[in-house]
Amino acid sequence: AQSVSQHNHHVILSEAASLELGCNYSYGGTVNLFWYVQYPGQHLQLLLKYFSGDPLVKGIKGFEAEFIKSKFSFNLRKPSVQWSDTAEYFCAVNEGSSASKIIFGSGTRLSIRP
Amino acid sequence: NAGVTQTPKFQVLKTGQSMTLQCAQDMNHEYMSWYRQDPGMGLRLIHYSVGAGITDQGEVPNGYNVSRSTTEDFPLRLLSAAPSQTSVYFCATSYRGPNTEAFFGQGTRLTVV
Repeated sequence: AQSVSQHNHHVILSEAASLELGCNYSYGGTVNLFWYVQYPGQHLQLLLKYFSGDPLVKGIKGFEAEFIKSKFSFNLRKPSVQWSDTAEYFCAVNEGSSASKIIFGSGTRLSIRP
Repeated sequence: NAGVTQTPKFQVLKTGQSMTLQCAQDMNHEYMSWYRQDPGMGLRLIHYSVGAGITDQGEVPNGYNVSRSTTEDFPLRLLSAAPSQTSVYFCATSYRGPNTEAFFGQGTRLTVV
């Protein structure tokens, strides 16, 4: 069965610091990978996605993620965080061959000190 | 174009009561699913449907029923609410083909006392 691990449960950074959130998945076949963001009190919004092609994908608000197939990883990065990036971030995966259930990681809460 | 609409936004139930959480979408998506979100546990899949008349269980289906009589609607029924079902519930939809992303509703915050 697919699973997603996010090892950082709560990350606290100062503004302008660089961010990297880890995500590892377990599934041997073709996968689609996602990062979703949930701002306080809101629903989930797609930050970025990887289906195929260039393993470095860029999303909204300056976020990017790199798919490393050999490591089963899809880490999220941002060179300089802002206070408005305070949110919870979820990594997710589903099978790439057809639309199927999306499995989420447990989430990483990001707090940015102004 | 409303996207994915969940009702109600908030609900308080007494233990043993039943209720239905509604999810409606106007994007003509075949795939619909229900998740519950609990602190430190991310989103866990309850039930999902790949089209009208077809439903299947996710990771945590116990205590919940679903049906899919139309493409647009995917209600989630709590038959006899328990305090362990206190959570935030999200409905999500997507196209059935490959390389698709999920779109989420605004969520329903349910408290069972």
